[in-house]
Order: sequence, then structure tokens, then C-alpha cells
Amino acid sequence: DAGITQSPRHKVTETGTPVTLRCHQTENHRYMYWYRQDPGHGLRLIHYSYGVKDTDKGEVSDGYSVSRSKTEDFLLTLESATSSQTSVYFCAISAKGGPYNEQFFGPGTRLTVL
Amino acid sequence: GQQLNQSPQSMFIQEGEDVSMNCTSSSIFNTWLWYKQDPGEGPVLLIALYKAGELTSNGRLTAQFGITRKDSFLNISASIPSDVGIYFCAGQPNTGNQFYFGTGTSLTVIP
Repeated sequence: DAGITQSPRHKVTETGTPVTLRCHQTENHRYMYWYRQDPGHGLRLIHYSYGVKDTDKGEVSDGYSVSRSKTEDFLLTLESATSSQTSVYFCAISAKGGPYNEQFFGPGTRLTVL
Repeated sequence: GQQLNQSPQSMFIQEGEDVSMNCTSSSIFNTWLWYKQDPGEGPVLLIALYKAGELTSNGRLTAQFGITRKDSFLNISASIPSDVGIYFCAGQPNTGNQFYFGTGTSLTVIP
């Protein structure tokens, strides 16, 4: 198994509160990704990082920010959580960004915004 | 974003039967990945494909990279109860670092 952990694994919060999810890897991979998974939508990319302090937006980035100050950690922040951000969040890592790219996923964080 | 059409959405089969599912896109992809996801867990990579026409096996699983580069197929032979789960395809176009995912095929195996 790829060395990816996510914390917390479950969280319930209230609308308007800030929330930070953490992804930690032990593989020293360059690329890290945050996805959300919702019924009927599959996995959708929120943000990704291609190195320390280097990040880019995915297709559903509104309302989310990310930071990567160390190779092993990628943080996803909801500045002011809304009920539409209730979802399961997955972190993924890969060694490369181009061809011959394989992504490995963490166990997920289930977030409920009341 | 790019849409991947994955079919069927769900399958109910008898143990021992073979299973086929496919994924199509409107764009050309350079990489196709197939994942399996169990309830409450993250997707697990099953097979990776990098060349048009490529056929790759992983035990009872076989996946193919379509010749047109706009589709991919996954077959499971002689299904067993532990094959139950949701199977996702993912594709990566020629440019960019992003993968796009299908909506999944839910597989139920009846003993």
C-alpha cells in the first residue's frame, strides 16, 4: 500500500466554520492531489500540487485553498464551510505528472457540514 | 471538465460469470487507469495502460487501451464474491497533470 494517511478520517462541522484536512505521504512523491467524491459525480479534482509551494486549481476549486510547505504534507482548507461541501475527500499522490503516471489514493475523510 | 462515460452503472451477476465494463471519453487520452473501491475506503489501482491497443492483465482482470485512444475496457473472469465493489476508470489527456474519472460501475456478485 502507498504510504498515504489522511486526518481526520471523519469530521462534522457547522456552516461558516473553517476546516483543514491533512494529507501526509511517506513516499517522497512530487505530485499530490485533493479530490472530492459525491454520488453521481465520481471523483473530481479540487487542487493539486507539483512541488513544495507549487499548486494549481482543479475543476471544483471554488471555496477551497491548499498549501504545501513540505514534500510530505498537503493541506486542504475550507475557509468557511458550506453544506454543499459535505462530501468524502480523497488525497492522492503520484511520482510523475506526465505519461506513465499512476495515482495512489489515501483512505479518505468524510466531512459533514451541518 | 472532461466527461468520461462509464457503463454499465451497475451489474448483478452470478458467481463464476465473466464481467465486462467500459469507459469512453470525448477526447484522446494517453493514460488509462482502472481502480476498485470498497465501501469506506479509497480507490485501489488495479491496472495502468499507456499505449493504444495495449492489453494488460492482473490475475483474473484484463484491461485494454482502445485503438482510438478514446476508450478503455475492463474484464473480470470467473467472478468471486470479493470482486464486489465499485470500479472506476480514469484517463489522462496528452497535456496537463489532471486525471478525469468515470462515475463508476457498481458490481454485485451473487453467490
